[in-house]
Formats: sequence, structure tokens, C-alpha cells
Amino acid sequence: SQQGEEDPQALSIQEGENATMNCSYKTSINNLQWYRQNSGRGLVHLILIRSNEREKHSGRLRVTLDTSKKSSSLLITASRAADTASYFCATPRGYGQNFVFGPGTRLSVLP
Amino acid sequence: NAGVTQTPKFQVLKTGQSMTLQCAQDMNHNSMYWYRQDPGMGLRLIYYSASEGTTDKGEVPNGYNVSRLNKREFSLRLESAAPSQTSVYFCASSEVTYNEQFFGPGTRLTVL
Repeated sequence: SQQGEEDPQALSIQEGENATMNCSYKTSINNLQWYRQNSGRGLVHLILIRSNEREKHSGRLRVTLDTSKKSSSLLITASRAADTASYFCATPRGYGQNFVFGPGTRLSVLP
Repeated sequence: NAGVTQTPKFQVLKTGQSMTLQCAQDMNHNSMYWYRQDPGMGLRLIYYSASEGTTDKGEVPNGYNVSRLNKREFSLRLESAAPSQTSVYFCASSEVTYNEQFFGPGTRLTVL
């Protein structure tokens, strides 16, 4: 399986609800990153969490990292229709090396 | 400050034709990347350049070549295009290889 894999593959929620996406990885990391991609466009960096951090916030985003389980989660609170996008986690190929992107979670926020 | 720019935005090739995708960044980043994204999938790394003067293969380098022309520019060349290379190609840059990446808008390539 891939180095980084998101779960679920697709998620559909109502506006105002929270959305949670998970990412699992295999190797040791120095950081893990989350990106968003709106349909047909380039990826946009959302948040970077370092291996010595357990939780990080940015606006309505909350990312957690559990290095013992080699997993991370992205929580979007009070979702909006504009949050509809694909979300990818990026994990390093090896310590300090370039990143591998998972297949992504497709989030649909219904008005 | 344009960030990462890519040209062209769209391209249609016939099998066997060659072309070069151009990428430039104005953020003084050291590292640059070329990815391809196929429908419903994540990004796969084709080649990257950790710093000016160096290039390395990624996951799917076959059929591609790259040139790090200078610190700003990183081009991707398809020498003999094949239908399997139909994809959306993204260029990205970062300050160093393990920092956040900034992406260009992509090039949609169709090989007939």
C-alpha cells in the first residue's frame, strides 16, 4: 500500500457539520502536511505539523498527529459549501526527503 | 509575485511527438518538483530538483526528462509522447525538500 493513505475515500456532509479525515503512513517523519485541491486546480497547502507536535490549529482546521500509531487526522469544523474539495496528506518518502501524496479524500459539503 | 507559473495550460499531442512543459517560480525556492495526476488519484512524483544543479528521479520517471535551467526554472520534456502520458501535470516548489510546497495551476496534456 502507499506511504500515505487517506480515509475515507469520499465524505458527504451537510453545511455546518464537522468533517474528519484520516491519514496513515509507514516511515518515520519529520513532518506531515495536508493540502486541499479544488476541482481542476493546483493543490493548496493547508497545514504542516512537525513530528514533535501533537495538535495544530489554523482557523477552522485542526490537525492531530500520533507518531506511535503513524497516523494523522484533519478536522474541519462548521463546514461550508466552499470546503468542497479533495484533501490530501503528504508524507515523506524518507526522513527529510521529498513527499508522497496519498489518493485523497473527496469532501462534499451540501448546502 | 506570481508564485509558480506553468506553460502551456492545455496541450494536445499525437503519439510520438515531443514537447517541453515550462515551470518558473519567483519565491527564491531551492527545491522544485514535477508531478502527474491521473483522474481520481493523488499526485505521483516524476522528477524533482532538491537544489539548483541537481535532479533526481521520482516514482514515475520513465518517458520524461527534466532540466533545472536555473534557480527559478524547471522544465519537463516528453521526448516521444504516448497515450499513457495523458494526464494533468503540476509543477511545485518549496524552500527545501521537506517544507510546504507551492503548486502551479497545472497543464492538461492529451496524447492521441
